[in-house]
Amino acid sequence: DAGVTQSPTHLIKTRGQQVTLRCSPKSGHDTVSWYQQALGQGPQFIFQYYEEEERQRGNFPDRFSGHQFPNYSSELNVNALLLGDSALYLCASSLMAGRVTGELFFGEGSRLTVL
Amino acid sequence: KNEVEQSPQNLTAQEGEFITINCSYSVGISALHWLQQHPGGGIVSLFMLSSGKKKHGRLIATINIQEKHSSLHITASHPRDSAVYICAVRGNFGNEKLTFGTGTRLTIIP
Repeated sequence: DAGVTQSPTHLIKTRGQQVTLRCSPKSGHDTVSWYQQALGQGPQFIFQYYEEEERQRGNFPDRFSGHQFPNYSSELNVNALLLGDSALYLCASSLMAGRVTGELFFGEGSRLTVL
Repeated sequence: KNEVEQSPQNLTAQEGEFITINCSYSVGISALHWLQQHPGGGIVSLFMLSSGKKKHGRLIATINIQEKHSSLHITASHPRDSAVYICAVRGNFGNEKLTFGTGTRLTIIP
């Protein structure tokens, strides 16, 4: 049973570029959440996708956008990259039961460096 | 003041010692997660709690909803337990985003 997989694992971009990160949830999971973790900090919630819609969003600018596909996989897009966007981007999947989100499973993350 | 506070920030102990990591939060929650993060980044979910106590192997997690406090205990600690332990709280229904503490860096010396 594959867990949560993220790609790419590492990437380097320059300021102003755009990046797309991908996440495949654990088999059977229908909800994907994205988090940004700067070096030495705890993760920060970016947004959560369920039923192909953004269900909830953290305090991130519109440069951060996402998508969930019918197979529950998800993408995180960041436009007009800034140096401060350098971070580990984590994806977590879960199963929504009623209105309640179940236990989370995390991917290994995508480490983005912006030069 | 952060919504989720962990203590201590850093903890070094000898192999075999009993470890306690504390988490206090200031908001209403529907659940609390304890997570483990090894160097390199991957996060493993250890526990999800909404009340009482859970045990898995040498790990025990407790939560006191009235006092807004949770503890993670490790019995018979081992060097492989060395990692960052993160407490994260999930908001109430309709606001289920996770808010994370800054983590406790645990080092177990052989």
